[in-house]
Amino acid sequence: SAVISQKPSRDICQRGTSLTIQCQVDSQVTMMFWYRQQPGQSLTLIATANQGSEATYESGFVIDKFPISRPNLTFSTLTVSNLSPEDSSIYLCSVAGASNQPQHFGDGTRLSIL
Amino acid sequence: GENVEQHPSTLSVQEGDSAVIKCTYSDSASNYFPWYKQELGKGPQLIIDIRSNVGEKKDQRIAVTLNKTAKHFSLHITETQPEDSAVYFCAASPLAGNQGGKLIFGQGTELSVKP
Repeated sequence: SAVISQKPSRDICQRGTSLTIQCQVDSQVTMMFWYRQQPGQSLTLIATANQGSEATYESGFVIDKFPISRPNLTFSTLTVSNLSPEDSSIYLCSVAGASNQPQHFGDGTRLSIL
Repeated sequence: GENVEQHPSTLSVQEGDSAVIKCTYSDSASNYFPWYKQELGKGPQLIIDIRSNVGEKKDQRIAVTLNKTAKHFSLHITETQPEDSAVYFCAASPLAGNQGGKLIFGQGTELSVKP
């Protein structure tokens, strides 16, 4: 399966600032997704990152708070804007060769807000 | 939309015993059901998956069963080992359509295997 690298692996940020998380894959993939995992909780899909067009957001997530870029088939970024303590979570990217192929996850970015 | 319920939330077994984790789903359009293992500090790792055209799939000590009529699926781990200790997540999604590939996860089961 693809090797997925996320950066940074963890960060501590001040309230009101923003953090951009990078997801790099070692091969071209059709599907890239961003998930949030709050402490001790399950995974919730934030959005599907579409190459060359705007991301598709799930209910409860908006572009102003979670802008996403996907300039090519191997790279995507998720920005978490105007950080508040409620944003303290693990953010994970996942990839799949197609919608009918298994999804594989990176190791996540652990974000804490002071 | 899809809703996935997972039970139990915690499970403790003795090494060598079997462990069973159960999930139910609500959307009959779901036809793909993966299971992930998440170790501390790591991302979820796909361990086995099943599609709705089969009722059972096995990979060494791990098996998954699917009952489409009842909308439930289960993970079975035999001969458990301490390294099986982790949090396990089930998920469901359709494989096509505008929801294709979008995984809805269960709440997770923390499995502890005692030596």
